[in-house]
Amino acid sequence: DSGVTQTPKHLITATGQRVTLRCSPRSGDLSVYWYQQSLDQGLQFLIQYYNGEERAKGNILERFSAQQFPDLHSELNLSSLELGDSALYFCASSVGWSSGNTIYFGEGSWLTVV
Amino acid sequence: GQQVMQIPQYQHVQEGEDFTTYCNSSTTLSNIQWYKQRPGGHPVFLIQLVKSGEVKKQKRLTFQFGEAKKNSSLHITATQTTDVGTYFCADSGGSNYKLTFGKGTLLTVNP
Repeated sequence: DSGVTQTPKHLITATGQRVTLRCSPRSGDLSVYWYQQSLDQGLQFLIQYYNGEERAKGNILERFSAQQFPDLHSELNLSSLELGDSALYFCASSVGWSSGNTIYFGEGSWLTVV
Repeated sequence: GQQVMQIPQYQHVQEGEDFTTYCNSSTTLSNIQWYKQRPGGHPVFLIQLVKSGEVKKQKRLTFQFGEAKKNSSLHITATQTTDVGTYFCADSGGSNYKLTFGKGTLLTVNP
């Protein structure tokens, strides 16, 4: 158990819909990351927040947005869903924002778009 | 952007055999991290290499960072069934902690 909690674990939704994935980081971790894992693209960095502020952005689509709240939990919002958005979405956390800090991944949220 | 190539894509070994996965980049890597993901699981951090030519060991696992910081390898000696999983290398992304992952090597071990 990494200490990073993600909900829901599984989600099936239709194209065009919107979903919210939730993440609670490890106790004491200020940095939260979102990654997408799919068969064709592999593990892709989406976005990073540190203490409520966006820190770094990766290959995140405009239809996707995220935020980190004052209690440090984070949400990833996916809208106008397409079949290709079906993937495993990981949240991860670390104490700090730089590469000297170990990143801990949650168990992921499986999203299936039908 | 930074691309990290990893080979082989798959490796099947008999228990007790050695295993190596390689990570390469056409550009200099910032720091290299290695992760293991068990089937159905999530990536778990194994190690980070920072210095050119660095070698680190964790029991049966040996990690190397190339002299030019353009390649890295993970070697497992005498594989066990518990080693099964996908091993990923990742470039740590310099000043921003944006991991760029290789596609991973799926290791299966025949008991």
